[in-house]
Amino acid sequence: QSVLTQPPSMSAAPRQKVTISCSGSSSNIEINFVSWYQQLPGTAPRLLIYENNKRPSGIPDRFSGSKSGTSATLDITGLQTGDEADYYCGTWDNSVNAWVFGGGTKVTVL
Amino acid sequence: QVQLVQSGAEVKKPGSSVKVTCKASGGSFSSYGITWVRQAPGQGLEWMGRIIPILGTVNYAHELKGRVTITADKSTSTAYMELSSLRSEDTAVYYCARVGIASRAMDVWGKGTTVTVSS
Repeated sequence: QSVLTQPPSMSAAPRQKVTISCSGSSSNIEINFVSWYQQLPGTAPRLLIYENNKRPSGIPDRFSGSKSGTSATLDITGLQTGDEADYYCGTWDNSVNAWVFGGGTKVTVL
Repeated sequence: QVQLVQSGAEVKKPGSSVKVTCKASGGSFSSYGITWVRQAPGQGLEWMGRIIPILGTVNYAHELKGRVTITADKSTSTAYMELSSLRSEDTAVYYCARVGIASRAMDVWGKGTTVTVSS
């Protein structure tokens, strides 16, 4: 059972939009930065979003992040087949003084 | 551009220990931390711990405390993760990642080291 809750799977057609939620609590998301990671099959994770809504260089603006209260969301617009991957949210949790990940969301492009 | 180069795959017996290395190539991690994350087959990401060499601080996941030790050698920009009393459930891919001290985001990842625990 992960500290951060994500939907296990989501799917949408090409060019559509997917919104992945990440639900936490007052000891983690509410008071700390959230980051998002994409893991393509058989590869290491890659940073997509950091500090809630910032994109590293090279990440397309189709990916955007936001945070409100104890929840965060990752939006993927203009969905492409290459976006099929597992997506993880993560943040620091002050109550356990440790990093916590969501359980991951598998995105399928129909 | 910094790359993190990890040591090769390991096969270990239950009860033994494994030490995985992570060397920063093309730069150092002097202004960053190094975190270790593992992923069991078909499972999600599990944070194991992190070290911030410039601050001399180390944090561990509660579930692994007592079995995992993370160290770093600033002179060679190399981090180490040692896991002891191995059990079959420790079979996983182990990743190191560079982490920002303020953002705590993991912006550079190693390719992973497969550790298999089997009798």
